[in-house]
Amino acid sequence: EVQLVESGGGLIQPGGSLRLSCAASGFSVDSNYMTWVRQAPGKGLDWVSLIYSGDNTAYAHSVRGRFTISRDNSKNTLYLQMNSLRAEDTAVYYCARGGYGMSWAFDIWGQGTMVTVSS
Amino acid sequence: QSALTQPPSASGSPEQSVTISCTGTSSDIGFYNHVSWYQQHPGKAPKLLIYEVSKRPSGVPDRFSGSKSANTASLTVSGLQAEDEADYYCSSDGGSSNLLFGGGTKLTVL
Repeated sequence: EVQLVESGGGLIQPGGSLRLSCAASGFSVDSNYMTWVRQAPGKGLDWVSLIYSGDNTAYAHSVRGRFTISRDNSKNTLYLQMNSLRAEDTAVYYCARGGYGMSWAFDIWGQGTMVTVSS
Repeated sequence: QSALTQPPSASGSPEQSVTISCTGTSSDIGFYNHVSWYQQHPGKAPKLLIYEVSKRPSGVPDRFSGSKSANTASLTVSGLQAEDEADYYCSSDGGSSNLLFGGGTKLTVL
């Protein structure tokens, strides 16, 4: 079964760091582009970051310089390292797979992991 | 404020059709045919409905269709069913490796 499972969320103080993981099964994380999308409580979807199959990366302006996307092909896992966290980073974080042959569309999503930034 | 503009709500009766709009600019929706639509039920992850303006992934009913005119994309849901009640989001390639989302539309089936 093709699926993504996120983990690593939790309660963290402002200024702190957290690393999210997204374990893939049924496909290889390096086979296509992968992304992180977040959703603040009661709000809409907000794109965070993307990694291409060739390892080039892209970031939303709001997280550039603070977040780093990466993947470990041996563990078939996608990561999001989040530093200097702010209250406005509080959200459910989803990882998603770029659809094969689809441009900027994501066909497999994880269930999400909640990150709460608060003192 | 989201980069793409959607109406906050839409509604229709069962079996009717409803269209949700998504307005961007000539730099995103108007320039790229990389518009997608997602359906999200409460507490669930988004589900891809439409990609590249009008293409449907396998398994998505043909009641869902997409189109684009100039800087505005549209999602039409025909033959409304109770299970279509959900939030719907559009997205578009914004250029320079940037993905844009709309603010979302809550669809109510009356």
